[in-house]
Amino acid sequence: NAGVTQTPKFRVLKTGQSMTLLCAQDMNHEYMYWYRQDPGMGLRLIHYSVGEGTTAKGEVPDGYNVSRLKKQNFLLGLESAAPSQTSVYFCASSYSRGNQPQHFGDGTRLSIL
Amino acid sequence: AQTVTQSQPEMSVQEAETVTLSCTYDTSESDYYLFWYKQPPSRQMILVIRQEAYKQQNATENRFSVNFQKAAKSFSLKISDSQLGDAAMYFCAYRSPDSNYQLIWGAGTKLIIKP
Repeated sequence: NAGVTQTPKFRVLKTGQSMTLLCAQDMNHEYMYWYRQDPGMGLRLIHYSVGEGTTAKGEVPDGYNVSRLKKQNFLLGLESAAPSQTSVYFCASSYSRGNQPQHFGDGTRLSIL
Repeated sequence: AQTVTQSQPEMSVQEAETVTLSCTYDTSESDYYLFWYKQPPSRQMILVIRQEAYKQQNATENRFSVNFQKAAKSFSLKISDSQLGDAAMYFCAYRSPDSNYQLIWGAGTKLIIKP
């Protein structure tokens, strides 16, 4: 059971570099989410998608872009990485009904030097 | 806007005893969903239990149960017969039927199990 798969699991970048985090789910979920988790804080929503070809901003969208070209994939891009983006990033997915929980990937630890 | 507050940054309990983690939330909505997630050191987020606001009966999943007080906007998690494997960060989350079902998260409670 793959569930939600995130790649890579770890990455170190230099300030100004770009990269894309990949998220894939095999549960046919309509909704997908990208969060960041910083020490001492809960998860904060970066961007989310309610279906293929649609994306929307969450609580902390600045400095990130996303795309959902296929239902099963949700990509998070950093165009010009900054040290403030050092964090653990989680992807999640869920069905559209409200009582359905979000299923999470194992996270990506990203360090920006 | 909805907010979720977990007032206990850290809790400890003796193995085999019972512990209660608190969570309060602020909302003007009458219909919503509440969740408790567990995050062990492995970092994976695992659903522990969920509650629909329209249900008066408190949810139970084996050793985990909730005390849902809708009027008080309180959603505490009780862990009975604590086990070493219960050691983790516990997050309370609120989901609105509006706002495309986004989850609003508390800051988390670190649970320590003493052997």
